[in-house]
Amino acid sequence: QKEVEQNSGPLSVPEGAIASLNCTYSDRGSQSFFWYRQYSGKSPELIMFIYSNGDKEDGRFTAQLNKASQYVSLLIRDSQPSDSATYLCAVFEGGFKTIFGAGTRLFVKA
Amino acid sequence: GAGVSQTPSNKVTEKGKYVELRCDPISGHTALYWYRQSLGQGPEFLIYFQGTGAADDSGLPNDRFFAVRPEGSVSTLKIQRTERGDSAVYLCASSLQGPSTDTQYFGPGTRLTVL
Repeated sequence: QKEVEQNSGPLSVPEGAIASLNCTYSDRGSQSFFWYRQYSGKSPELIMFIYSNGDKEDGRFTAQLNKASQYVSLLIRDSQPSDSATYLCAVFEGGFKTIFGAGTRLFVKA
Repeated sequence: GAGVSQTPSNKVTEKGKYVELRCDPISGHTALYWYRQSLGQGPEFLIYFQGTGAADDSGLPNDRFFAVRPEGSVSTLKIQRTERGDSAVYLCASSLQGPSTDTQYFGPGTRLTVL
């Protein structure tokens, strides 16, 4: 069974801090990795994707990928209360299927 | 431009009934995906269309579920003989080409409740 694992949280951080969200995946052949944000009662929206080992930065967000360890993370710098949401890790394993993790709930305290 | 739209937004039905859920993707997007999301879980892949054809339907739970996209645009997810376990939010997404690096844009979902 191919899996994408995330800590369900909640992860609570103070405003202005760095939030670190982690994800592991089981299929070594996985090719692309996505982070989606989902506010309560809303649909997922893409934050960023990464497919090469290393870091990828976009504004306050940095995605980190380590294929050898089958690990992908998302760092949110200067966390804001508006960042409070569920963060979904998604993995494209080849073919046509994208597998989502169950998500980590993030709470940023003002 | 307009995003992905889904109708109805809510559907309540009785066990054993037939339901159809509609998805209208972003204009020009050839790839269309259906997912199902239960409370506290991530979206679960159901089926992927490239144009009119179902390129991967391996996520459909059983033969009660069927989806079509006859003209390569609007898609309908059809569920026969609904069961209480089918209750979930059904999400549709579209992307320009395919799932490898494309952004998938999600619709607002249809909340299905089977009584």
